[in-house]
Amino acid sequence: GENVEQHPSTLSVQEGDSAVIKCTYSDSASNYFPWYKQELGKRPQLIIDIRSNVGEKKDQRIAVTLNKTAKHFSLHITETQPEDSAVYFCAANRGWGKFQFGAGTQVVVTP
Amino acid sequence: DTEVTQTPKHLVMGMTNKKSLKCEQHMGHRAMYWYKQKAKKPPELMFVYSYEKLSINESVPSRFSPECPNSSLLNLHLHALQPEDSALYLCASSQDQGQQYFGPGTRLTVT
Repeated sequence: GENVEQHPSTLSVQEGDSAVIKCTYSDSASNYFPWYKQELGKRPQLIIDIRSNVGEKKDQRIAVTLNKTAKHFSLHITETQPEDSAVYFCAANRGWGKFQFGAGTQVVVTP
Repeated sequence: DTEVTQTPKHLVMGMTNKKSLKCEQHMGHRAMYWYKQKAKKPPELMFVYSYEKLSINESVPSRFSPECPNSSLLNLHLHALQPEDSALYLCASSQDQGQQYFGPGTRLTVT
């Protein structure tokens, strides 16, 4: 089955700096890669996603890059703000419903 | 309406009780999911329904019984649970192999 590894497990950044979270996946059939932000006690919220036919996608301060050959994808957050503090999960989807999540990254943005 | 709703928000039950979790979406999505999430861990897929038929059961114990009465509703029937089943139970839906929309979850405590 699919295995998704996510690093780092915790990330502390100064407000205004950039944050990068990296994930690797094992199944070359995976074709959809979402990133979720989950605040304490709340549901996971999709913040950005990328499909396997695209190498990079950007939405304001957030960007995702995908390297299919190396089977890894990364989340980039620029100009971090305290409200970016949360747990971030990457995921890979091999097809109908077969989502596998990474272990999560606790991001702490200090003012 | 881009929302998935879940009831109840909180549930406390004894190990001999029978209870049900409910999930509803009106986005016309044809896939619906149940996930279990323990504290500080990623969501773990339990079941997937596709076009109202069970398509994935991730080896979930039989004390969890899913049901999809129609394309908008998803239930999870609980019976004879164990304390280690205490967790946040998340429902999600999606139209295709892409974006999943999560409900707010039911926080379950088994005493």
